Amino acid sequence: DIQLTQSPSFLSASVGDRVTITCRASQGIWSYLAWYQQKPGKAPKLLIYEASTLQSGVPSRFSGSGSGTDFTLTISSLQPEDFAAYYCQQLDSHPLTFGGGTKVEIK
Amino acid sequence: EGQVLESGGGLVQPGGSLRLSCAASGFTFNNYAMNWVRQAPGKGLEWVSGINSGGGGTYYADSVKGRFSISRDYSKNTLYLHMNSLRAEDTAVYYCARSRFGGHDLDSWGQGTLVTVSS
Repeated sequence: DIQLTQSPSFLSASVGDRVTITCRASQGIWSYLAWYQQKPGKAPKLLIYEASTLQSGVPSRFSGSGSGTDFTLTISSLQPEDFAAYYCQQLDSHPLTFGGGTKVEIK
Repeated sequence: EGQVLESGGGLVQPGGSLRLSCAASGFTFNNYAMNWVRQAPGKGLEWVSGINSGGGGTYYADSVKGRFSISRDYSKNTLYLHMNSLRAEDTAVYYCARSRFGGHDLDSWGQGTLVTVSS
């Protein structure tokens, strides 16, 4: 099975900050990686698929990059509504594993 | 855009069984792969199982293989997760999620249903 390692697991930031979250796969997964946002008590929401394609309706301050084993999610200017947990997921092969998550909190 | 709505969660004893349902609406159910994802209290997301659009391909996490079974009923636009030999570590909110058309990433999620395994 493909393992995904996210870092950091916890991040404290201020409104307006540029935030970067990384996701490393245990083997190459081409660009088959998605990013999700989850707020407390809510279902996850798809932000980015195929490593860098923004899902419809997602603000352009979110961006994704990477291929192979190393990927990043960047929020260019953190907004109050962005404080949440973020997860990566590999879509290259079953089982479709998730990373451990990154919780973004207000500094 | 489409919606999915889970049901069937509840309290079950260790070793027991439960069947979760996911009713799909607002999209052509036949055309989409479907999945179950769970989240234990205070923990991260765990992909549990998936089924392709035709129903002929089913996939499972190692943690549930041999105990859980995924199926779909096209006449009812409904996805199921049959859970047997339940353990305390299966306690979680179970989400139904649709795979994006042409991909595997999950673009539409239900609100989740809580399964608690306890004596």
